Amino acid sequence: QQQVKQSPQSLIVQKGGISIINCAYENTAFDYFPWYQQFPGKGPALLIAIRPDVSEKKEGRFTISFNKSAKQFSLHIMDSQPGDSATYFCAASVSDNDMRFGAGTRLTVKP
Amino acid sequence: DTAVSQTPKYLVTQMGNDKSIKCEQNLGHDTMYWYKQDSKKFLKIMFSYNNKELIINETVPNRFSPKSPDKAHLNLHINSLELGDSAVYFCASRSDRGKNGYTFGSGTRLTVV
Repeated sequence: QQQVKQSPQSLIVQKGGISIINCAYENTAFDYFPWYQQFPGKGPALLIAIRPDVSEKKEGRFTISFNKSAKQFSLHIMDSQPGDSATYFCAASVSDNDMRFGAGTRLTVKP
Repeated sequence: DTAVSQTPKYLVTQMGNDKSIKCEQNLGHDTMYWYKQDSKKFLKIMFSYNNKELIINETVPNRFSPKSPDKAHLNLHINSLELGDSAVYFCASRSDRGKNGYTFGSGTRLTVV
């Protein structure tokens, strides 16, 4: 069974808009929550990650919001650009081991 | 270049054949993984090795056999290939020191015909 549920499956955003992808998990032992970005023909690449002791982490245009009580976390991409068009995966693991991935969100940013 | 490298990038083979995919990392990482990505892009862990020892073995047919000759290499051998084995296989690695996520290879697209 899927341990990390991700939505939406696909997302279309206009250039300059905000892209929001949501994930939920069940296993309260998870303590590391990364987001990966995958371009066609490439492997997933680590984008940003958060641990449950903080509620938000920001790196440039990318922000993770984390809600421990709801067991949910989300990725916000501000000022979305066509170059951000990719598949995004949320993931969760215990101590950075045995990473479990969400099903992925295909983001398209229209010029 | 420091990286996780997989070979071959593409593999087309007939049902029933045996094939291998090789993975090497020069990052000095301690743990290596194989993931399978299906046609819907879902990434599923298959195996994990730490310093040449098998740590995770998910519910994978025993036609799949990983081999780690040293901690920088993790190869995947598949016997009696089936149509359902067609997917992209990703190798990944991580360090036990510090927590910086996984580094993935660029994948091997396996097509069984």
